[in-house]
Formats: sequence, C-alpha cells, structure tokens
Amino acid sequence: QKEVEQDPGPLSVPEGAIVSLNCTYSNSAFQYFMWYRQYSRKGPELLMYTYSSGNKEDGRFTAQVDKSSKYISLFIRDSQPSDSATYLCAMSEPGNQFYFGTGTSLTVIP
Amino acid sequence: GAVVSQHPSRVICKSGTSVKIECRSLDFQATTMFWYRQFPKQSLMLMATSNEGSKATYEQGVEKDKFLINHASLTLSTLTVTSAHPEDSSFYICSARFTGDVTEAFFGQGTRLTVV
Repeated sequence: QKEVEQDPGPLSVPEGAIVSLNCTYSNSAFQYFMWYRQYSRKGPELLMYTYSSGNKEDGRFTAQVDKSSKYISLFIRDSQPSDSATYLCAMSEPGNQFYFGTGTSLTVIP
Repeated sequence: GAVVSQHPSRVICKSGTSVKIECRSLDFQATTMFWYRQFPKQSLMLMATSNEGSKATYEQGVEKDKFLINHASLTLSTLTVTSAHPEDSSFYICSARFTGDVTEAFFGQGTRLTVV
C-alpha cells in the first residue's frame, strides 16, 4: 500500500464551481500536511500547510485534515481558469521526508 | 513565501557528458535540501536528502556515483548528473527546508534535462 493515495483525475469543472481535492494516507504518525500547486513545466508552489488536525482557510482555499479518518482535503471556492494546474498533497512526520500524492490534474473551463 | 532558486531551468547535453544543477535558498538558511525527479504526469520521486556539511542520503535504487550531490553551504546544494544517458532525461526539482523548522518545504523552479 502506498503511503499516500490521491486520485490523479483529470478533473474538469466550470468556472465558479467549488472544487474538492482529496488524499488518503496510511501512516498515523504524519503530523504535517501540505498542498502544492504545480503548473506545467514548473516546480511545485506551496499553497497551504496544516499541522495536525483541523481546518485552515486562505482566501478561496480551505484545507481540512481529519486524522481519525486519515483523510485530507483542499477546497477551492469560486474556481478560476488560472487555478488550472496539478495539485499535489504531501505529508510528513516531524523532521522526516515528505511523501507526495501522485497529483490531481484540474482544468477550470471559462 | 521563501524563495528557492534552481538553475538552469533547461539544459540539453550530449550522452556521456556531465551536467550540474544548482539549488539556492535566497532568503533563508536551509539545513536540509531534497532532490526529486519527476516523470511526465507522475508525482515527485525523492532521489536524495542532503544535509549541509555531510554526505547525502540516497533513496533505494538511486546511484550515488551517478547523481553526485554536494551541500557545501546553508544556501547552496548541487546535483551533478555524471556520464549522462538519454534515460536520465527528466525534470529535476530541489526543495529546501528552513534551518530548525520541520514544516514547509519550498521548491525550486525545476530543471528540464534532455540528454541527446
């Protein structure tokens, strides 16, 4: 079983829709949870990070962590064509390497 | 967010030659830098973890004599692909963590290596 599972998509939504991206994981020792956005041929850009459980909101983006279910989500409200990218979840134990999901390809259609 | 600069962004080299990729943390000190390889439409594959002043730790299956990593200072790590082959063509990405911080990592822009 992979450490982190993420549906690769592709996911296609109309502009203005709410997007839900998810990852599941198996290691209960993960404490740090991150979402990265990667445009084609570019390095990943950190969007959100969360420590332990709970929600975190930043503008149109909301990250949720449910440690009891080993499930994390990223919600994008009022999606824009500029949000079209691949979204990677990542997580780690304190001080240890990151484990990445495979990434979900998102296209927001004008 | 913090800035990690990776150079060059694209490089084409001939088989058998060596290529050096630089990764710099511009506005913070990074005790730990990571080097990843990414194949098309796939996630990041960790190649090695590099700590300043010590030898890099390579992941299983990554040839340390082929992918030489040097982390000479708190702001610079280099990856040298030696005796490059066409199968080494890939997208290489570095990331860096703050000194004393175990949370976010910030990524460089990536280097597209093509070996012809």
